[in-house]
Amino acid sequence: DIQMTQSPSTLSASVGDRVTITCRASQNINNWLAWYQKKPGKAPKFLIYRASNLESGVPSRFSGSGSGTEFTLTISSLQPDDFATYYCQQYITYWTFGQGTNVEIK
Amino acid sequence: EVQLVESGGGLVQPGGSLRLSCVVSGFSFSNYYMSWVRQAPGKGLEWVASLKQDGSERNYVDSVKGRFTISRDNARNSVYLQMSSLRAEDTAVYYCARVKQGDAGSMDVWGQGTTVTVSS
Repeated sequence: DIQMTQSPSTLSASVGDRVTITCRASQNINNWLAWYQKKPGKAPKFLIYRASNLESGVPSRFSGSGSGTEFTLTISSLQPDDFATYYCQQYITYWTFGQGTNVEIK
Repeated sequence: EVQLVESGGGLVQPGGSLRLSCVVSGFSFSNYYMSWVRQAPGKGLEWVASLKQDGSERNYVDSVKGRFTISRDNARNSVYLQMSSLRAEDTAVYYCARVKQGDAGSMDVWGQGTTVTVSS
């Protein structure tokens, strides 16, 4: 099974900060990686697919990069609506999510 | 408007059964792979099951194999999750999700979820 590990688990930041979340796969997943935003009581929101492709309608302050086993999600200037938990997901072999990164207000 | 609406959650005793439903609208359902994903209280997202457009291929996370069955009715624009031999650890919010067309696995549209509680 492919394991996905995110770091950090919690990230404290302020509005306007540049934020980077890392996701590592236990084996090569090429670029079969997606990112989601999750808020309590809400459905997950799809942000990025194939590691770096921004889904339509997602603000351009979000970006993704990486391939193979290491990936990053970057928010260039954190906005109030961005405080949430972020998950990476591999889909080269079935589906596995990372454990999540909680972006909280500093 | 693209929409997925789950139903069927509730309180069930350990060992019991429950059938979740997800009705979709706003897109051509029969053209899409569909999935169920869950989130246990205080935990992260976990993929549960997925089903090919024509129902010919099903996949499950190991922890539910032999207990859960995913199915679909393309005429009713619906996907289902039949859950049996339920355990306390199956307690979660269950989300229905559409697999993005042309991308082979990412999930671009999600329902609001239905809550399953397994407890005596």
